[in-house]
Amino acid sequence: QSALTQPASVSGSPGQSITISCTGTSSDVGSYNLVSWYQQHPGKAPKLMIYEVSKRPSGVSNRFSGSKSGNTASLTISGLQAEDEADYYCCSYAGSSTYVVFGGGTKLTVL
Amino acid sequence: EVQLVESGGGLVQPGGSLRLSCAASGFTFSSYSMNWVRQAPGKGLEWVSYISSSSSTIYYADSVKGRFTISRDNAKNSLYLQMNSLRDEDTAVYYCARENFWSGVNLYYFDYWGQGTLVTVSS
Repeated sequence: QSALTQPASVSGSPGQSITISCTGTSSDVGSYNLVSWYQQHPGKAPKLMIYEVSKRPSGVSNRFSGSKSGNTASLTISGLQAEDEADYYCCSYAGSSTYVVFGGGTKLTVL
Repeated sequence: EVQLVESGGGLVQPGGSLRLSCAASGFTFSSYSMNWVRQAPGKGLEWVSYISSSSSTIYYADSVKGRFTISRDNAKNSLYLQMNSLRDEDTAVYYCARENFWSGVNLYYFDYWGQGTLVTVSS
């Protein structure tokens, strides 16, 4: 049950766009359009930001978008705001024996 | 309003046991699959266990298989995690998380999370 691979950190200035990658394998990200993304502020519970690769839950800003190509999923945040500074985790279904696997997390810093 | 409230965490010695609870409200608990996800201090999220709405299907991460038992009581709107043979590496905040579904099919994402309960395994 290896974790999905994310960059440890990314940064951007207010108003800019950033993209966080999430690399898995043909057994998880590559096989299913079942990638989700979570935002976590320090000391808080994770919050769902994207599900099924690119769908946004009600109430999540349209500045957040998701995509997938092959074994790699991506989360893009446009028009960066100070409140976007947080940790972001990707997650993918990985079959019934493994169920789901998370990425290692990416710390986003808004400069 | 959907609410998930975990309890039962605390300090336990290696080899000991602990039972976590998650009280659900604001939705039809018996219709949803539930999960436990944990986060070691300063580390990332790790999926721990899954239980279907009727308890007919259960999954565990390899790291806890044979030591942890997930269960639920739909009459009490509650989810549980019995943790035995605890190890230092089980130290983490444990979250319960609701898994969404559509037309009876799991969607494999977690739309609501509790605030977490801290389990510390140390002598």
